[in-house]
Amino acid sequence: NAGVTQTPKFQVLKTGQSMTLQCAQDMNHNSMYWYRQDPGMGLRLIYYSASEGTTDKGEVPNGYNVSRLNKREFSLRLESAAPSQTSVYFCASNGQGNQPQHFGDGTRLSIL
Amino acid sequence: QKEVEQNSGPLSVPEGAIASLNCTYSDRVSQSFFWYRQYSGKSPELIMSIYSNGDKEDGRFTAQLNKASQYVSLLIRDSQPSDSATYLCAAGRANAGKSTFGDGTTLTVKP
Repeated sequence: NAGVTQTPKFQVLKTGQSMTLQCAQDMNHNSMYWYRQDPGMGLRLIYYSASEGTTDKGEVPNGYNVSRLNKREFSLRLESAAPSQTSVYFCASNGQGNQPQHFGDGTRLSIL
Repeated sequence: QKEVEQNSGPLSVPEGAIASLNCTYSDRVSQSFFWYRQYSGKSPELIMSIYSNGDKEDGRFTAQLNKASQYVSLLIRDSQPSDSATYLCAAGRANAGKSTFGDGTTLTVKP
């Protein structure tokens, strides 16, 4: 019962480095989401993909890119990491927008 | 104004009391409403979904929806210390492609 799997779980980067956060779901969901959550704050939507082949910006897309590789996988890329991107990143999925989302365990990212 | 607003809290209740968490939403065409619980350092987990006006009960949890007032609430009866967490309210609709989350209310249940 994997659900939503995120890799890596922890990562430390230096300013200016790039990396890709991976997310995969095995629930045959159409929609996938990337959020960031800063300490003591709520979830902020970075990008989402309502269906395979489509992606849309969320509330805080600057500094990020995404790829919906196939129905299962949705990756988030930081091209040039900045300390302001230090956060916990959650991937989530659901069948469609009016259904509950299932979350991965998160990636804790620190940028020095 | 945020699309989904929650009492900022924190909310503190004694063990065994009823905890009441409130949420309002601005998008009148929202169709579905969710409550998630998030323990510190963990990911959000769904605890209640509600789609129709009225009450929905699941064990110690009751979700209440009033679409006319654009108001959703979560009641936790016989609160336990293990209920101490942040509770997130979310609203969704099919053609929006996404749900909108509130910032959460942190609940502490004191033994």
